[in-house]
Amino acid sequence: DIQMTQSPSSLSASVGDRVTITCRASQSISSFLNWYQQKPGKAPKLLIYGASSLQSGVPSRFSGSGSGTDFTLTISSLQPEDFATYYCQQSYSIPYTFGQGTKLEIK
Amino acid sequence: QVQLQESGPGLVKPSETLSLTCTVSGGSISGYSWSWIRQPPGKGLEWIGYIYYSGTTNYNPSLQSRVTLSVGTSKNQVSLKLSSVTAADTAVYYCARVGHGGNKYYFDYWGQGTLVTVSS
Repeated sequence: DIQMTQSPSSLSASVGDRVTITCRASQSISSFLNWYQQKPGKAPKLLIYGASSLQSGVPSRFSGSGSGTDFTLTISSLQPEDFATYYCQQSYSIPYTFGQGTKLEIK
Repeated sequence: QVQLQESGPGLVKPSETLSLTCTVSGGSISGYSWSWIRQPPGKGLEWIGYIYYSGTTNYNPSLQSRVTLSVGTSKNQVSLKLSSVTAADTAVYYCARVGHGGNKYYFDYWGQGTLVTVSS
């Protein structure tokens, strides 16, 4: 299985901050990397697919980059509704696997 | 707008079989694969498997011996069966559509999830 490791596991930030979350794969996954946002008690929501493609309806302050083993999710200017847990997920090979999550909290 | 709704018992006894159904509305299940994903309370996400609308399946090897996915095209439904459950199978179970753009695959629509507790 491909292991996905996110850093940091938790992060405190303020509204308006620029935030970057990192995801590393245990082997090369090309650009088969997706990012999700999950709020408490809710299902995950797709933000980014194919490492850098913004899902329809997702604000442009979210962006993704990377290829191979190292990827980043960037939120350019945090909004109050962005405080949530973020997961990366690889779709390069079966079984699909997720990172352990990064919890973004209000400072 | 595609909507997914999971349904099934919220409590299952150890050693029994967990059975859940995902009903898709606002679109057809045809042309897509449909996945099940679970999340133990307070923990991360685990992919269980997917089924193509034609019936082709692919399972997580860690669960393969206990999992069966099926489709009911006439009812626009996808079903999950997980046998010989233990407390470790307690989780929120989600169904999700496997969307695709080019050769990229991702979970673009999700159900709200249903909590299944394994306990006697």
